[in-house]
Amino acid sequence: KQEVTQIPAALSVPEGENLVLNCSFTDSAIYNLQWFRQDPGKGLTSLLLIQSSQREQTSGRLNASLDKSSGRSTLYIAASQPGDSATYLCAVSPGNTPLVFGKGTRLSVIA
Amino acid sequence: DAGITQSPRYKITETGRQVTLMCHQTWSHSYMFWYRQDLGHGLRLIYYSAAADITDKGEVPDGYVVSRSKTENFPLTLESATRSQTSVYFCASRTIAEQETQYFGPGTRLLVL
Repeated sequence: KQEVTQIPAALSVPEGENLVLNCSFTDSAIYNLQWFRQDPGKGLTSLLLIQSSQREQTSGRLNASLDKSSGRSTLYIAASQPGDSATYLCAVSPGNTPLVFGKGTRLSVIA
Repeated sequence: DAGITQSPRYKITETGRQVTLMCHQTWSHSYMFWYRQDLGHGLRLIYYSAAADITDKGEVPDGYVVSRSKTENFPLTLESATRSQTSVYFCASRTIAEQETQYFGPGTRLLVL
């Protein structure tokens, strides 16, 4: 059974810092990996999707990497801002079955 | 409105009552999903549907019923609400293409007294 773990569960950083969020999964047979953002009281919004054949994806200040063989992904946020404060969730797609989600990392960026 | 909507956004009910949460998407996505989100448990899949009239159980289906007579609608019914079903419920949808992401609704906050 696929399991997704995100460490740390919570993170607080000063504005301007570069930071890395970690995601690990137990079964490397995945179709893709996705990072979502969730603001308090809101639904999830997709940030980045990495296909299993890709190593990384970038969107603005966000960069996500994927190492299937080791079962790891990282989300790198450059020059963090208070508006980046949210919960970030990682999810893997086993293919033709629903996404498997981690429990998320709650990020606070302090001005 | 384009996108995925959920109604009601907030609901208070009593133990034993039947409650139906509505989900509607305007994209004609094949897949639709219902999750519940609770502190300490994260997102847990309740039911999903690959197309109209096709539904499958997720991780926590007990106490819930779904139907999908039309592609765009995927209602979730709590047949006899229990306090343990107090949660935030999210509906989501995506196309049949595996390389596409999943889109989430804004959620329904349900309190069972």
